[in-house]
Amino acid sequence: DQQVKQNSPSLSVQEGRISILNCDYTNSMFDYFLWYKKYPAEGPTFLISISSIKDKNEDGRFTVFLNKSAKHLSLHIVPSQPGDSAVYFCAASATNAGKSTFGDGTTLTVKP
Amino acid sequence: EPEVTQTPSHQVTQMGQEVILRCVPISNHLYFYWYRQILGQKVEFLVSFYNNEISEKSEIFDDQFSVERPDGSNFTLKIRSTKLEDSAMYFCASLSGFRADSGANVLTFGAGSRLTVL
Repeated sequence: DQQVKQNSPSLSVQEGRISILNCDYTNSMFDYFLWYKKYPAEGPTFLISISSIKDKNEDGRFTVFLNKSAKHLSLHIVPSQPGDSAVYFCAASATNAGKSTFGDGTTLTVKP
Repeated sequence: EPEVTQTPSHQVTQMGQEVILRCVPISNHLYFYWYRQILGQKVEFLVSFYNNEISEKSEIFDDQFSVERPDGSNFTLKIRSTKLEDSAMYFCASLSGFRADSGANVLTFGAGSRLTVL
């Protein structure tokens, strides 16, 4: 039972354009949602998060949108930069200290 | 910036051998986790550890796995008798804190230990 899904294994965008990464979840108990970025040979690093009481959270070039009724969230990166090229994982948890359930990841490539 | 340190970075072992993966979490963190990622697959939760005991574990974390914090700093994952399917990248993480903007728990991950079982 895959509770967190990222249906696009890869995404390629041009530098300066918007990158939109999508994530769907099935467990209605999830209250916290996070995006992590991962470079090769490194562990995931935190990017941005949102709780279920909000529908948008913004941090610089990164914005996360949550549609709770659709059980869908998305990460927008604008403008995209070549340094953003990495694997992006969506993660969700039911409590703020509990385990995080990760999606499969989306490999973003930003072309100069 | 404080880091989670993992050793070894890569270990090759024979099937059936015992393996210990080591982690030094960030010193003032209280919650510790092990995750793994089989090549090309998602990051999977194995176990969480708080106050010197397991607080939650997944179905992957069977009797072949154990964790301990023997000296108050190191946090170890032991696999008693490795199987081919244990080949993966194992990530240690500790809880950095809760985001003020969301309340979400933010994990700081180590760079991982790659385990190859032959």
